[in-house]
Amino acid sequence: GAVVSQHPSRVICKSGTSVKIECRSLDFQATTMFWYRQFPKQSLMLMATSNEGSKATYEQGVEKDKFLINHASLTLSTLTVTSAHPEDSSFYICSAREAGSAKNIQYFGAGTRLSVL
Amino acid sequence: AQSVTQPDIHITVSEGASLELRCNYSYGATPYLFWYVQSPGQGLQLLLKYFSGDTLVQGIKGFEAEFKRSQSSFNLRKPSVHWSDAAEYFCAVGAGGQNFVFGPGTRLSVLP
Repeated sequence: GAVVSQHPSRVICKSGTSVKIECRSLDFQATTMFWYRQFPKQSLMLMATSNEGSKATYEQGVEKDKFLINHASLTLSTLTVTSAHPEDSSFYICSAREAGSAKNIQYFGAGTRLSVL
Repeated sequence: AQSVTQPDIHITVSEGASLELRCNYSYGATPYLFWYVQSPGQGLQLLLKYFSGDTLVQGIKGFEAEFKRSQSSFNLRKPSVHWSDAAEYFCAVGAGGQNFVFGPGTRLSVLP
């Protein structure tokens, strides 16, 4: 099956620093990648949709200057949490949809646990 | 607007017992339906999916789900639960080209 690699799996940083999370599709090309945030014991909340070569589409209430998304290639999307603060601590998960797929199957990374001190 | 409900927040079953997790959706057309499983601290793994055709779909790990249009449901079943099935289960709906809508999840606990 399709594999999505997400790195790092866990990061601890000081308040005010920026953190970059990578999402790679290992064995398929993904024109669209998604970034989700998950709070403890809750479902996934879509933050933004990332399309290769174009600007990301952010969901309502998500600060695009806070959460920078870059999708520079068909296999890599990055999420940068800028000037992170404790309230940004969360579990971030990416997913990728295969290029040319009409079936809308999303394959998920293993997630990144961000802790901001 | 699309929506997904999973009426059971938490279910506990004994190992070897059968399992059914409920999922109801609201969608204007024929949906694509998915079940994902999430182990603690992990991403989501696709268990099975429904696009069209046979309304009973088979997935990995012995799971199956049945699409019932008249009830707007897509319940997940397993005849005999294993301890390793303890996890969080998410139902999702999303047609081609559209974003997923996830249900709130059902946490499954398995008693030895």
